[in-house]
Amino acid sequence: AQSVTQPDIHITVSEGASLELRCNYSYGATPYLFWYVQSPGQGLQLLLKYFSGDTLVQGIKGFEAEFKRSQSSFNLRKPSVHWSDAAEYFCAVLTLNNNDMRFGAGTRLTVKP
Amino acid sequence: SQTIHQWPATLVQPVGSPLSLECTVEGTSNPNLYWYRQAAGRGLQLLFYSVGIGQISSEVPQNLSASRPQDRQFILSSKKLLLSDSGFYLCAWSVGGQGSGGYTFGSGTRLTVV
Repeated sequence: AQSVTQPDIHITVSEGASLELRCNYSYGATPYLFWYVQSPGQGLQLLLKYFSGDTLVQGIKGFEAEFKRSQSSFNLRKPSVHWSDAAEYFCAVLTLNNNDMRFGAGTRLTVKP
Repeated sequence: SQTIHQWPATLVQPVGSPLSLECTVEGTSNPNLYWYRQAAGRGLQLLFYSVGIGQISSEVPQNLSASRPQDRQFILSSKKLLLSDSGFYLCAWSVGGQGSGGYTFGSGTRLTVV
């Protein structure tokens, strides 16, 4: 069955530092992969998505993610973190029937001044 | 443009009381609709999804139910709430027939059962 693992529950980075959030997936075919961000008490906002083609995808707010089939990974990156990036980040995989998006447990990002 | 509305934003209900959470989508037709629950410190769990009026698929056995009386309306209900029903409930929609564009989420309902 398809699944998503986010190994890091909580990450703290300094403002201006680079960021990488890890995501590993388990799926038999080429997956549809997504990263969402959730501010406290809010819904989820789509940051970026990968279907096929270029394995490096650009998203909103300066985020990017790289699909690596050999590692079953879809890590999220940002070159320079801003204090407003503090939030919870979720990686997700869409199943073949397109009616069941599976989410990782999330990574909470704290940004130090 | 498409928008999704969820209400209420917060709700405190006693154990054993009924529940009704409503979600409506505007600006699209025949969307796929979803209810997720997010327990404290945990990821999102898919509860129900619907591909059309009156068509409900349940992912997790529980004392919750869902209904889709209209194309763009999705309701989450319970006859008797349990303490374990506390959590953050999120409604989402995707383009009918495919979710590859991603899901769009509402702002959520924080339910506390006391």
